[in-house]
This record gives sequence, structure tokens and C-alpha cells, in this order.
Amino acid sequence: DGGITQSPKYLFRKEGQNVTLSCEQNLNHDAMYWYRQDPGQGLRLIYYSQIVNDFQKGDIAEGYSVSREKKESFPLTVTSAQKNPTAFYLCASSAQPIYGYTFGSGTRLTVV
Amino acid sequence: AQTVTQSQPEMSVQEAETVTLSCTYDTSENNYYLFWYKQPPSRQMILVIRQEAYKQQNATENRFSVNFQKAAKSFSLKISDSQLGDTAMYFCAFMKLNNNDMRFGAGTRLTVKP
Repeated sequence: DGGITQSPKYLFRKEGQNVTLSCEQNLNHDAMYWYRQDPGQGLRLIYYSQIVNDFQKGDIAEGYSVSREKKESFPLTVTSAQKNPTAFYLCASSAQPIYGYTFGSGTRLTVV
Repeated sequence: AQTVTQSQPEMSVQEAETVTLSCTYDTSENNYYLFWYKQPPSRQMILVIRQEAYKQQNATENRFSVNFQKAAKSFSLKISDSQLGDTAMYFCAFMKLNNNDMRFGAGTRLTVKP
């Protein structure tokens, strides 16, 4: 079945450590996105990529980094510079954004 | 920047009844797209319905329909014959034409009661 796979589902990180969230899609979509979801704030865009080896910052890119070496993969690294990383992270992809996005099932990151 | 406002943090409805979720947005654009997404307890976002701003006809998908009022910048979602499986967070979203920046509202938590 085609879709987006995010792993792991739950992730715990110690303060000061970097951690990488995985996002893989087999939908042959060109565009991929990372969103952060906090209670009462909806979804906020972290980074997006329209094509391999290219990506743009969203509203809250500080403390995060991404790469897009393959069309299928768009990993997100949460660095130690991110001051409040505990959140739910959603990855999405799209063939044509005007028709909406397909989302993964998310990763819950908790800093301990 | 475009903003999306959902003024109802929580709502509830009896099974089989109809409920309307509100959404307003702010933009100076004339062409854009609007979406409603559902996030059930599994937390995977699912596209419910979309509307193109240049179309005056309201979009409909089975029990889900929208009331799109372009001049008022309003985009409400009506769920008819509510089912227990409709219990979820619902997010309204806005996207400009030729843009990869989809803006989401804060969401409305809908509970369908038996």
C-alpha cells in the first residue's frame, strides 16, 4: 500500500542531544513537509521540500535541520538548539499541493 | 501572512444529528484553496473536503459539506447524520495559489455522543 511512514512512533531524548525523525513515502510525491503540532496551536510548518536536494524554511525552522537526498525520504533532525522540542511531529507529502497533503501517523518526541 | 481562526475549541453532537464547525480566514488573495482535515485519536490527519475559491458552488463529500462565503472569508464544515466515528479534531486550512505553505487553524475537538 502506498503511504507515508514515520518512525519511531514515540521518541525520548535527553536535553542537549540531537535526534532524527524518519519520514519515508512511496507515493512518488515530489513535495514533502514537516509540521509541528502543539496543543491549542494547530500545525506549524518547520521545513518543506519541493524537489530532491532543495528545501525551504517554514515559520519555526530554528533548531531544526532537514535533508532531501532521495525523493522518498525527508528526515528531520531536532538539534540541541531547539529550546522546547517536546511536541508531536507530522510529516506530509503531496503530488499537487492544491489537492491537499497526505500525512504520516506522526512521531511524539519527549525531552526528558 | 494568512491566518486561520477556528473559534470553537470544543463541540459535541448527538449521534445522527447535524453539526457545523466554523472557520474564518484572513487574506488579500483572490485565488486560494481551503481544506478541512480530520485527526482521529490515531492522530493521522485525513483530508475531509477541499474548496477552490474561484468556485462559487459549495463542495460536498457524502455527509460532509461546506458553506463557503468568500466575501465574509468564512468556510464552515457541516457534518450531517453524525456518527461515532466522526469523533476527532477537525482542522481548517488555507493555501494560496501556487504555494507550498498550508496554514492551519488551532482545531475544533468534536465529540459525537451515543
